[in-house]
Amino acid sequence: GQNIDQPTEMTATEGAIVQINCTYQTSGFNGLFWYQQHAGEAPTFLSYNVLDGLEEKGRFSSFLSRSKGYSYLLLKELQMKDSASYLCAPEGAGSYQLTFGKGTKLSVIP
Amino acid sequence: GAGVSQSPSNKVTEKGKDVELRCDPISGHTALYWYRQSLGQGLEFLIYFQGNSAPDKSGLPSDRFSAERTGGSVSTLTIQRTQQEDSAVYLCASSLPASGGVSSYEQYFGPGTRLTVT
Repeated sequence: GQNIDQPTEMTATEGAIVQINCTYQTSGFNGLFWYQQHAGEAPTFLSYNVLDGLEEKGRFSSFLSRSKGYSYLLLKELQMKDSASYLCAPEGAGSYQLTFGKGTKLSVIP
Repeated sequence: GAGVSQSPSNKVTEKGKDVELRCDPISGHTALYWYRQSLGQGLEFLIYFQGNSAPDKSGLPSDRFSAERTGGSVSTLTIQRTQQEDSAVYLCASSLPASGGVSSYEQYFGPGTRLTVT
């Protein structure tokens, strides 16, 4: 089965840096996705990690450690529009099945 | 270009009625997924279609749920004899097919159908 753990809520200040952690236990592993979901909207793709290490994409970076079953999403220079839920989704060995965590609701405050 | 579309956007139905939810994926995307998201919960995988292969139905919660994909494009999710616990947002996503190797493709989500069973 799949077990995904990420904080339920986080609050951070505009302009700051925030790190959202995700630990997972899966039966087989191919890679890990991060999605952003604004309230009342559909999730949108942020990143996909297959290999260990840090992938940087603008203000957002994602890190993966396969041996530790651990990933984090790093958001820099926070903006108010970054207030959203961030969903961690490891990909099972079938190479198509994603299991989504419940998401971390990030609130960015002035 | 056009994204994933779903209809209806909202559906209110009485307990015991059947409902059909429609998904129109991005052209050229052979992989199609259905998910369910209940309030405050994560996305729950329901079913996966890939080309002409048999669908993966392992996530369907009961035999009241079924889905089909006609012509490798449009998909319909049918819920028979709806129950109040079926109330949720039903999301459809499409992607290019996973290579089966070390890379996969991002899923593009539709806006969802909010189903309310009264």
